[in-house]
Amino acid sequence: NAGVTQTPKFQVLKTGQSMTLQCAQDMNHEYMSWYRQDPGMGLRLIHYSVGAGITDQGEVPNGYNVSRSTTEDFPLRLLSAAPSQTSVYFCASRVRGRSFTDTQYFGPGTRLTVL
Amino acid sequence: AQKVTQAQTEISVVEKEDVTLDCVYETRDTTYYLFWYKQPPSGELVFLIRRNSFDEQNEISGRYSWNFQKSTSSFNFTITASQVVDSAVYFCALSEAEGKLIFGQGTELSVKP
Repeated sequence: NAGVTQTPKFQVLKTGQSMTLQCAQDMNHEYMSWYRQDPGMGLRLIHYSVGAGITDQGEVPNGYNVSRSTTEDFPLRLLSAAPSQTSVYFCASRVRGRSFTDTQYFGPGTRLTVL
Repeated sequence: AQKVTQAQTEISVVEKEDVTLDCVYETRDTTYYLFWYKQPPSGELVFLIRRNSFDEQNEISGRYSWNFQKSTSSFNFTITASQVVDSAVYFCALSEAEGKLIFGQGTELSVKP
């Protein structure tokens, strides 16, 4: 198993550009999520999905869209990039959709800079 | 509201010293899970431990140990005889009833030779 994979590893955007961060997992996990990591703030939940076709907002959803058409993929779309979205983005997954007991496993992260 | 506080932003120790990373949490749930993750300089997040709210036994794994105390809402992490390879940012996290992970701000540990 490759686990959780994310592409790209690094990205530089100009203000106003849009892009999609890719996340995939090959473990048949129901739950997938996106976090952003900013200095001094830990990781904050952007969006999550408890299964294919189901998505919901986390703590900081503004400026981001997600969809979950397959179990494997959970892309994160930046609609119109802003400097405040400069961050490191992590995708994570866990086995069961609606469970607070399962461990979440994280991808390697995408470092995004918005100029 | 659910909250995790890691009051120590940065800790610096010399190799072979013992070091404890503090984690205090707030939750209204009676059943919950606590986690520790390690983020080495390479940037990935590595799962270290999961503990449920009904199990207050301390856990030891090699040089790592965890002390869970419900009475003080704390889940502290101790590294014994620290090594340079332990240098990383460590995150404590709380899993609430809906399954969302709430992270603390992280503690950056620097172990100097």
